[in-house]
Amino acid sequence: AQSVTQLGSHVSVSEGALVLLRCNYSSSVPPYLFWYVQYPNQGLQLLLKYTTGATLVKGINGFEAEFKKSETSFHLTKPSAHMSDAAEYFCAVSGVRGGADGLTFGKGTHLIIQP
Amino acid sequence: NAGVMQNPRHLVRRRGQEARLRCSPMKGHSHVYWYRQLPEEGLKFMVYLQKENIIDESGMPKERFSAEFPKEGPSILRIQQVVRGDSAAYFCASSPTGDGYTFGSGTRLTVV
Repeated sequence: AQSVTQLGSHVSVSEGALVLLRCNYSSSVPPYLFWYVQYPNQGLQLLLKYTTGATLVKGINGFEAEFKKSETSFHLTKPSAHMSDAAEYFCAVSGVRGGADGLTFGKGTHLIIQP
Repeated sequence: NAGVMQNPRHLVRRRGQEARLRCSPMKGHSHVYWYRQLPEEGLKFMVYLQKENIIDESGMPKERFSAEFPKEGPSILRIQQVVRGDSAAYFCASSPTGDGYTFGSGTRLTVV
């Protein structure tokens, strides 16, 4: 069984400031980890994913995440927030078959960018 | 490549009616997944299908909900006798191999 916890349903940062969205997971098998972004009334867009190999993963739009097995974490960061980053962000985990057995999502974090 | 196409984008049904949600996967993708998103919640897995087969329906409610992915045509999620609690956004995702999803834009179902 797998689960995902996203700390903070809402995160507010100033434009140009560091973005940090937290994600902790539990998984009985080596996890595949994902971050998705959802803009209002849109589907989910993949930001980045970790499967195997390098634990620091770079994604689109300047985002990156680091897989820390000892902390069971996969936090998402971006050095400098932009107004266009305002959206809902979801962390997700799946088992060794990648997405084949379905993704388990966190409840999401709404990122607010203050001008 | 047109991406994952879902229709309709918005669907309004009265209580007791049937809702049919369609998902056309990306070309070459034979794996389809349905998820439901309730307000203020993340996405919940419902069902995983390959052509003509249901692989995993562990997330589907036991009654009123069914899904299919025929040899020809889109995948269909059918909800019979809808109730207000079925109001949600329903997302479809497809994959060529069972790894690496592409999501559609969703169908937003409102039951009145």
